Amino acid sequence: KQEVTQIPAALSVPEGENLVLNCSFTDSAIYNLQWFRQDPGKGLTSLLLIQSSQREQTSGRLNASLDKSSGRSTLYIAASQPGDSATYLCAVMGGGNKLTFGTGTQLKVEL
Amino acid sequence: DVKVTQSSRYLVKRTGEKVFLECVQDMDHENMFWYRQDPGLGLRLIYFSYDVKMKEKGDIPEGYSVSREKKERFSLILESASTNQTSMYLCASSFIRGTTGELFFGEGSRLTVL
Repeated sequence: KQEVTQIPAALSVPEGENLVLNCSFTDSAIYNLQWFRQDPGKGLTSLLLIQSSQREQTSGRLNASLDKSSGRSTLYIAASQPGDSATYLCAVMGGGNKLTFGTGTQLKVEL
Repeated sequence: DVKVTQSSRYLVKRTGEKVFLECVQDMDHENMFWYRQDPGLGLRLIYFSYDVKMKEKGDIPEGYSVSREKKERFSLILESASTNQTSMYLCASSFIRGTTGELFFGEGSRLTVL
């Protein structure tokens, strides 16, 4: 059974700092990995999708990497802003079209 | 932009009532999903559908049913609501059958069962 872990569970950083969020998964037989952002009381917003054959994806200040063999992905956020404050979730797609979510990292970017 | 719309953002129902949660997507996606999200438990898959009139059980289907009569619409039904079904319900959709593509979520429906 796939298990997805996100560390740390919560993170507080000053504005302008570069930061890395971590996601690890136990079964490397995945189709893709997706990073989401969730604001309080809202749905999930897709940030980046990495296919299993890819090593990284970039969108603006965000860069996600994937190392399938070691079961790890990182989300790098450059020059963090208060508007980046949210919960960040990773999810892996495995066999049977099953998407397994991590429990998230709650990020707070302070002025 | 892909849009996934959930009909109700907030609902309050009484124990035993029948509850319908509606979800509509506008991108002709084949796959549609219903999740519930609870503190400490994360997102759990209730049901999903690959095509019209198709449905498959997720991890926690007990107490729920679904309907997909049209490709763009996927409904979650609570036949007899119970207090332990108080939760945030999230609908999602994606393109490409098999190795699925990017998943898009609606804004969520927060259900309270009294």
